[in-house]
Amino acid sequence: DIQMTQSPSSLSASVGDRVTITCRASQSIDRYLNWYQQKPGKAPKLLIYVASSLQSGVPSRFSGGGSGTAFTLTISSLQPEDSAAYYCQQSYNPPYTFGQGTKVEIK
Amino acid sequence: QVQLVESGGGVVQPGRSLRLSCAASGFTFSSYSVHWVRQAPGKGLEWVAVISFDGGEKYYADSVKGRFTLSRDNSKNTLYVQMNSLRPEDTAVYYCARQCAGDCSGFDYWGQGTLVTVSS
Repeated sequence: DIQMTQSPSSLSASVGDRVTITCRASQSIDRYLNWYQQKPGKAPKLLIYVASSLQSGVPSRFSGGGSGTAFTLTISSLQPEDSAAYYCQQSYNPPYTFGQGTKVEIK
Repeated sequence: QVQLVESGGGVVQPGRSLRLSCAASGFTFSSYSVHWVRQAPGKGLEWVAVISFDGGEKYYADSVKGRFTLSRDNSKNTLYVQMNSLRPEDTAVYYCARQCAGDCSGFDYWGQGTLVTVSS
């Protein structure tokens, strides 16, 4: 099975800051990497698919990059509503494993 | 509008069974693969299983293989998961999610989740 490892597990940043979350796969997954945002008590929301494609309706301050085994999610200018947990997920092969999550807090 | 609504959750004793349903509307259900994803209290997301658009292919996480069985009724726009031999570690909110079509391989629509608690 493909293991997904995110870092950091949590971060605290100020409004307007640039924030980057990293996700690494245990083997190459080409660009089959998705990012989700989850707020407490809510279902996850798809932000980015195939590494860098922005899901419809998602603000352009979110961007994704990478291929192979190393990927990033960047929030260019952090907003208060971005306080949430963020998960990467590989969709290269089943089981479609998730990273352990990164909790983003606003200072 | 696209909707996925899970039902069937509740409290069940270890070793017993439960069947969850996911009712879909607002899209051509028979054209999409659908997944189950669960989240234990205070924990991260865990992918559970997927069934292809026609039910011909199914894959399961090792943690549920042999105990959970997926099925779908495309005439009723409904997905099912039969969960047998339940364990306390199966306690979680269970979400169904649609895998988007075309080049997108992410899960673009999710239900609100249904809570399963396995406890004596």
